[in-house]
This record gives sequence, C-alpha cells and structure tokens, in this order.
Amino acid sequence: AQKVTQAQTEISVVEKEDVTLDCVYETRDTTYYLFWYKQPPSGELVFLIRRNSFDEQNEISGRYSWNFQKSTSSFNFTITASQVVDSAVYFCALTFSYNTDKLIFGTGTRLQVFP
Amino acid sequence: DGGITQSPKYLFRKEGQNVTLSCEQNLNHDAMYWYRQDPGQGLRLIYYSQIVNDFQKGDIAEGYSVSREKKESFPLTVTSAQKNPTAFYLCASKDRGRGNNQPQHFGDGTRLSIL
Repeated sequence: AQKVTQAQTEISVVEKEDVTLDCVYETRDTTYYLFWYKQPPSGELVFLIRRNSFDEQNEISGRYSWNFQKSTSSFNFTITASQVVDSAVYFCALTFSYNTDKLIFGTGTRLQVFP
Repeated sequence: DGGITQSPKYLFRKEGQNVTLSCEQNLNHDAMYWYRQDPGQGLRLIYYSQIVNDFQKGDIAEGYSVSREKKESFPLTVTSAQKNPTAFYLCASKDRGRGNNQPQHFGDGTRLSIL
C-alpha cells in the first residue's frame, strides 16, 4: 500500500519553542519523492521542500530542518524557535517515479503557535 | 507576478445545479490538477491534465467534469450528480518539462457550500 501517515492531528506550542512534525510513509517502490507543504489560514498550499528517495541528506533552511530516514520510512520536519506566523496546517506528501501526477497526502498536522 | 488564480473564492450551489470553478495559471505549466479537501483530511485528486485537450480521472472523479481547451485554463464543473459537494477545492499546476520530481504549485482555493 502507498500511504502517508501524520499521526499528530494538532500541536500547540508557545513562541520560541522547537517543534517536530512527524511523517511516516509506506511504499514498496524504490524511487519516490517526498514533499512538505504549508497551508496557512488563507488556504493555499505553499511548497516547502522536496526530497528524492536516493538522497538521504538532511536539509536546513533557516529555522526549518528536515530529517529523512529511509530505515524508518520517516521524513520529519522541525521548526526551531517557532513563531506565531508558523501557525498553519502542514502536509507531508508522496509521489512515485512512474506516476508523478498522483500526490498522496497525509491528513495534515495543525500547528498553533501562541505568543 | 506568476501564479494560479482560482475564482470565485466562495460559491454556493442549489440542489440540482451545476457549478463551475475557474482555475487560470500564467506559469506556462503543462500539467494542471484539481483536488478536494474535506475538514481534517488530506487532499484527494479529482482530475488532472498533463497536456491541452487531454485529462485523466483521479481518485474521486464521480460527479465532476473538466475541460482543458487552453494551456492556462482548467475549469472544474461540479455536477448535480455530486451528492456531497461541500468542500474546499484546490487547483494546482506543475512544470513537467523540468523532470519528474517538480513540486505542484497551488492556488488559493474555492470554498463550495450547498444551499
């Protein structure tokens, strides 16, 4: 089965706390791509990062970092020193080399950052 | 600025009525997509089009129809056959010419409600 699980439905933190959003995926394919998107209250999905299955290098972009581990089929997202503007729903998604038009989304994690 | 424009932002449908959601992009992307988002759920693919005058059903195409007469436009019609149309609809596009792992870019969405 091809599936993305985001077990954390909602997370609440206070500003400046670090927070990690979990993403676990299932696939039997060897070549696949993983994405994270942010959905602020305005509704549009904003692309954050893409990771290829053959590239396990972790990535940092400012306060955002991503930890990709094939051994545990996880692609977790950490926000360091969270800010109120980080409040949004975050989606993890998976697609495959043989059909990159079909994105499989997780159910999303709602992050609320309080001042 | 390049982007994806969805209209209207809010739409109300009477029983037995067909309604059409507009999606226009000026990114020169070949591929376009329609997703449906229900509360607490991930996005589900309705239809997609890889090229002008061609489109394929996604996972939940029943009760919907699309057309792709121009590269920049991909309207979605919610027909009276769709018995539960209340949802948030998101349109996306992707540049297929730059490889398999390109991210999809999303519009601001249309919220459809039934009267």
